[in-house]
Amino acid sequence: QKEVEQNSGPLSVPEGAIASLNCTYSDRGSQSFFWYRQYSGKSPELIMSIYSNGDKEDGRFTAQLNKASQYVSLLIRDSQPSDSATYLCAIPGGSNYKLTFGKGTLLTVNP
Amino acid sequence: SAVISQKPSRDICQRGTSLTIQCQVDSQVTMMFWYRQQPGQSLTLIATANQGSEATYESGFVIDKFPISRPNLTFSTLTVSNMSPEDSSIYLCSVDGGDRGLEAFFGQGTRLTVV
Repeated sequence: QKEVEQNSGPLSVPEGAIASLNCTYSDRGSQSFFWYRQYSGKSPELIMSIYSNGDKEDGRFTAQLNKASQYVSLLIRDSQPSDSATYLCAIPGGSNYKLTFGKGTLLTVNP
Repeated sequence: SAVISQKPSRDICQRGTSLTIQCQVDSQVTMMFWYRQQPGQSLTLIATANQGSEATYESGFVIDKFPISRPNLTFSTLTVSNMSPEDSSIYLCSVDGGDRGLEAFFGQGTRLTVV
């Protein structure tokens, strides 16, 4: 069974700092990796996807993938209070596109 | 991405009753999924709703408790049957990314409280 591990936090950073969120996974064959952001009381929102080793940047967000070490991370630069949310790592499993989610990391950005 | 409408957005139900949650998508999608998110927890897949055939349930979830319908490529329902307080959760409908890939996109969720 595929497993996805995240540090549940909470992670607290000051406004303007870099927030670093990490995720490890058990299945070496995984090819796709997703980061979701979930505000309290809301549904998850896809913010990043990454498929190849290395970095992928989108605005203030950078996803980093290292398949050899089986981890994927999300960096948030210039963190804002509006980034305060739970961040979920997800990996597809099986042939029917279902996702396995990590437990999520609660991020708080302090003004 | 597809626009996913889920209703009701919240409900408070008596134990022993059933609630049907509806999920409507604005375009045809191949895969529709139902997740549960218990308080303070991550998402757990209940089942995959298959058009034209029975849903595929994950370990720990059974059709008698969570019957699912998928009458066409844009609509699905999840029923939570014979509810107990342990069923109090957020229930989320999601669809796959289609041509975009394996990403999942979510409806706004149904917050269910069983009293």
